Amino acid sequence: QVQLVQSGSELKKPGASVKVSCKASGYTFTTYAMSWVRQAPGQGLEWMGWINTDTGNPTYAQGFAGRFVFSLDTSVSTAFLHISSQEAEDTAMYYCARYRDGYYFDYWGQGTLVTVSS
Amino acid sequence: QSALTQPPSASGSPGQSVTISCTGTSSDVGGYNYVSWYQQHPDKAPKLMIYEVSKRPSGVPDRFSGSKSGNTASLTVSGLQAEDEADYYCSSYGGSNNFVFGTGTKVTVL
Repeated sequence: QVQLVQSGSELKKPGASVKVSCKASGYTFTTYAMSWVRQAPGQGLEWMGWINTDTGNPTYAQGFAGRFVFSLDTSVSTAFLHISSQEAEDTAMYYCARYRDGYYFDYWGQGTLVTVSS
Repeated sequence: QSALTQPPSASGSPGQSVTISCTGTSSDVGGYNYVSWYQQHPDKAPKLMIYEVSKRPSGVPDRFSGSKSGNTASLTVSGLQAEDEADYYCSSYGGSNNFVFGTGTKVTVL
């Protein structure tokens, strides 16, 4: 069965960096793109972009280019989200989600809570 | 790209139906048949309920149905059950490799 398992919660100070992982299993990793979605506390879902798991080419939504970087390690079927120079406003739950042709997300990770606080 | 507009809340009694609207523009909802809907229970990850406007993934009850007219998509939950109480988000492809979510609707089963 398809599973996306994300790394655990993180507590970081402002200015620090964090790397969130998303390990896929139950399917061929490079067949489907992976997307990242942010959800701030008490807020809605926000699409951050996606990464082509075959070519490694990322696409970032408006507002997420620069400090947010998507990467892959296809040898272990894992996608990564790296956030640099974190601000308090980056405090959120971050989800990875498998991105299907037809522009929808059929499987989601359990989420990784990143808290940025001094 | 602006978020799609959903009503903040909707409610119904067990067994009744509730319909949630999702309004966008001709650049997203109206321009493509790529609207999907997600259910999110508190402190849980979202779950796909509808894709490509009206298709249901395997395992999703047929009480959930989707439709679209012009720039507005809709999700209808028929025969409401207690476990349907959750937040619901629509989403749409917005062209040029862009994607947008709706503002979310909290469904309460009275």
